[in-house]
Order: sequence, then C-alpha cells, then structure tokens
Amino acid sequence: DVKVTQSSRYLVKRTGEKVFLECVQDMDHENMFWYRQDPGLGLRLIYFSYDVKMKEKGDIPEGYSVSREKKERFSLILESASTNQTSMYLCASRSPIGGANTEAFFGQGTRLTVV
Amino acid sequence: SQQGEEDPQALSIQEGENATMNCSYKTSINNLQWYRQNSGRGLVHLILIRSNEREKHSGRLRVTLDTSKKSSSLLITASRAADTASYFCATEATGGFKTIFGAGTRLFVKA
Repeated sequence: DVKVTQSSRYLVKRTGEKVFLECVQDMDHENMFWYRQDPGLGLRLIYFSYDVKMKEKGDIPEGYSVSREKKERFSLILESASTNQTSMYLCASRSPIGGANTEAFFGQGTRLTVV
Repeated sequence: SQQGEEDPQALSIQEGENATMNCSYKTSINNLQWYRQNSGRGLVHLILIRSNEREKHSGRLRVTLDTSKKSSSLLITASRAADTASYFCATEATGGFKTIFGAGTRLFVKA
C-alpha cells in the first residue's frame, strides 16, 4: 500500500515561530502537494512539486515556502507563523498526469494551531 | 480559485436510502475524481472518471460525468452509517499539474 506520512498529527506553535511540516511518501511519486483545509473552503493548494528541487506556487502560497531535496520528502515551511495559518494541513503524492494511476494519496493531516 | 463546487453542502439521510452529491467545475479537464474524508483524517480516493467516460461504477458507487454541462454526480446506493463522511470532487485541468478540490459535501447517514 502507498503510504504518505506526515510528521505530526497535532502541533501548537507561537506567533512568529518558523514551523516545518514534513511529509514522506514511499511510492516513488514525482508529484507532491501541500494543501490547507478550512471549514467551508475545502482544500486549497499551497504549493506543489513535480520533481526533486522543482516547485510551483499554488493558489495561496503567501507566508509559506517549500523544500524538495529528495524525491520522497516534501517539506512545508511557515517562515513566521501567524494566527491566520491555524488550519489542517494535508500532504498528498501522485504519479504524473497521464500515467495509469493519477489518484492522489493523502497523509493523515497535521492540525496546526498558532497561538 | 476553486475548480469544483459540490452541492449540497450537507446531506442527512436514513440508512438504506440513496445519497446523491453533485459537482460543477469551470474548465476543461483530464479527469474528475471523488474522495472521501472521515472526520479529522486525510482524504481517501474513491473513484476516477476520465473526460471521455460518461458513467462509472465501483461497488455501491456510481459516478456520472457530463462534460457539456461541466458537472458530475456521485450516487451512493443503500447507504450505511459508516458512509458518514465528507465527500469531495477533484479535477485535473487539461494541461495542468494541479488537482483542485471543491468545498465538499458533508453526508450524515442515520442508523
């Protein structure tokens, strides 16, 4: 089974802290994604990566950055955490579009609270 | 920008009834997918329908796609209490890398 693992289920950080959310997948997928999920807004794409060291901004990249040094790991960085970044963060991985299987596999989510 | 929009936002039915959820989207797509999310967890893929398909079945799930109306529906037949979850449609736009999700439909199945 494909496994996408996020480093923490729950995280509480202080305003202004630099926060790292880690995601690891074991299926050798090229594409990886970070979403945030807020009530009534669904999943909004923050950043995605289509290969090692490659990244693209999603719909809401402000206040975030990402790192993909190895194929299996995609990190989301909150440069200076703010209370409006309190949310559920979901990581996903997928084979490239056009492949036989383009479904996305999700981690269990990290619920981040910024106080 | 949101690509998929689900309707209704919430749905409450009795066990054994059918549940229908709808999704509309805005641009040309490669495929449309439906996902399920149990409370506080990650999303799980249910079914994928390609842009050249009109209907697809998987167990108690039936998905239709109407590309002329840019809409899809998910039907869950003979619902069970364990089907209680949020359901999301997701689209891959033609020529794009991104998978875009809607706001979801919250389904509650009463035992």
